[in-house]
Order: sequence, then C-alpha cells, then structure tokens
Amino acid sequence: DQQVKQNSPSLSVQEGRISILNCDYTNSMFDYFLWYKKYPAEGPTFLISISSIKDKNEDGRFTVFLNKSAKHLSLHIVPSQPGDSAVYFCAARSYNYGQNFVFGPGTRLSVLP
Amino acid sequence: DSGVTQTPKHLITATGQRVTLRCSPRSGDLSVYWYQQSLDQGLQFLIQYYNGEERAKGNILERFSAQQFPDLHSELNLSSLELGDSALYFCASSAPSLGANEQFFGPGTRLTVL
Repeated sequence: DQQVKQNSPSLSVQEGRISILNCDYTNSMFDYFLWYKKYPAEGPTFLISISSIKDKNEDGRFTVFLNKSAKHLSLHIVPSQPGDSAVYFCAARSYNYGQNFVFGPGTRLSVLP
Repeated sequence: DSGVTQTPKHLITATGQRVTLRCSPRSGDLSVYWYQQSLDQGLQFLIQYYNGEERAKGNILERFSAQQFPDLHSELNLSSLELGDSALYFCASSAPSLGANEQFFGPGTRLTVL
C-alpha cells in the first residue's frame, strides 16, 4: 500500500522554464511534508517543507503547494537550471508514525540546456 | 556534506552471508534512521534509534537487526543475505529534539548480493 505516490517517474523541462513535480498521498493523518533532492552517488538532501496548516511555502526558486482536500502537493521550480537535474522525493509524516517519514518513489527531473 | 558518514561505500557479498553497515550521525544528533532503497523504489524506512534505544520499526526483516552504541554511531546487521537484499542502504540523523522535522542523510552503502 503506497501511501505517498509520485506518478511521474521522470520529467524533462527546458532550462529557464518551470518544473512542476507532483505528489499525492492517501493518509489524511499526514501533517508535515518535505521534498528531498538526490544526486547520483549521494544521499538525499532536504529541499523544502510545508506544514499541513499552510497551503504554500516558498524558498527562493522553490515553492511547495499543498492542497489538503485533494491530498496533493506540488513542487515548483522557477526558473529551472541544469543543476536541478536530480531525483526528487516527496515525503510525509504524521505524529502517528513519530518522526518517521513515508517516502514516495521519486521523480527524475532532467533540465535541458 | 551532511555530516552523516556511512561505511563502507560499496559492499559485494554472496547469498547466505552476513554484513554490517556502519553509520555515524551528525555531531549532536541523537536519532539515527535506516532506510533501504531498492532499484527504482522509494526509500523504505527500516528502523529508528534515539539515544541508544529503538524508537520505531518499519519494514525491517527479521534477518536484519540494528543497534545504536553509547557514542551514538549505529550499525545495521544483515544476515542470511538474499539476492533481493541488493540495494542502497541510507542512514539519516536528526537533531536532539524529538520534534525535529528534518533528517540529514549519509551518502549510502551500496550492497550487492551475488
């Protein structure tokens, strides 16, 4: 039972354009969501997070939107840069699980120069 | 550099064998988490330790065990290895507060079982 889904295994965008990565979840008890970025041969690195009491959080070129009624969140990267090419994981947490996160399968983003 | 170290970087072994993966958390972090990432899969949570005690268990097989030592480093022991255990194993740590929201990941250990 996949509680966090990222239905697009891969995404290609042109440099300078917007990248939109999507994530859906099934557990309504999730109250905190994060995006991690992973380069090959490295561990995931934290990118941005959002609490369930908000619907938007922005950090530079990265914005995360949360739609609780649809159980959907998205990560927008504007403008996209070649260095953004990586695998992006969506993760969710609920206090029922303590500090443990449930990760999605990831989306591989390729930003083409 | 996240500050979390994992050794070894690569490990190749045969079915039926036993291996130990090691993790040193960031300085000051009390929680250590272990994750498994199989090919094209997300990160599967295995187990969490907090200040030496097991805190939470995820999808960890009975053939696998872990511990966290007084100096806060952790080891993940995998025994009776099967081909399907081939994966990337990540360790992560988080700040002392149990309410900490962010986990810092090590570079991972790639295990290949032949």
